[in-house]
Amino acid sequence: QVQLQESGPGLVKPSQTLSLTCTVSGGSVSSGGYYWSWIRQHPGKGLEWIGYIYYSGSTYYNPSLKSRITISLDTSKNQFSLKVTSVNAADTAVYYCARGRFYDNWFDPWGQGTLVTVSS
Amino acid sequence: QSALTQPASVSGSPGQSITISCTGTSSDVGAYNYVSWYQQHAGKAPKLMIYRVSNRPSGASSRFSGSKSGNTASLTISGLQAEDEADYYCSSYTSNRTLVFGPGTKVTVL
Repeated sequence: QVQLQESGPGLVKPSQTLSLTCTVSGGSVSSGGYYWSWIRQHPGKGLEWIGYIYYSGSTYYNPSLKSRITISLDTSKNQFSLKVTSVNAADTAVYYCARGRFYDNWFDPWGQGTLVTVSS
Repeated sequence: QSALTQPASVSGSPGQSITISCTGTSSDVGAYNYVSWYQQHAGKAPKLMIYRVSNRPSGASSRFSGSKSGNTASLTISGLQAEDEADYYCSSYTSNRTLVFGPGTKVTVL
């Protein structure tokens, strides 16, 4: 059974870079067919898809965030990571990592989520 | 503001059936059969309940079903149970090659 777990700082200062890692167990990020994704949820609000990375290393980002987003893959550690540069208060959210099939539009399973607060 | 529209809340008594609507446009819900639904209990991660409009993954209760007509997709919960009380989000692939989620619907079991 595939499980995902997010990790990273819970507090980031404005203008700095947010960095999160998702560790995958029970499955391999190197296996084809799945898009390893990041999705966030602003406090009390809905969900926003951030971007994905494929096992080949190809990436695709939400156009509204594209200029500030980098998603990378570390197959040796079975992890994938998210970096968001120049953060501001609007980036405060619970960040989820998830396995999915982007072009079929489904994500399953999800990590438990990690709250990142942007504040000085 | 979400590109998809959902009712803020829906309620029902145990055993009843309820339906949650998800209205989009001809560029998302109406254009593709890539609509999915997620259940989210308070403080928990979303759980996939329906994908490709009406397909149910293993692990999702058979009391959940999905459908679509035109630009509106729907999630029906039959035989409502206390454990179904949660927030429900719809999602659609779009012609801009991105994904959008609805604002969520809070389901209350009376």
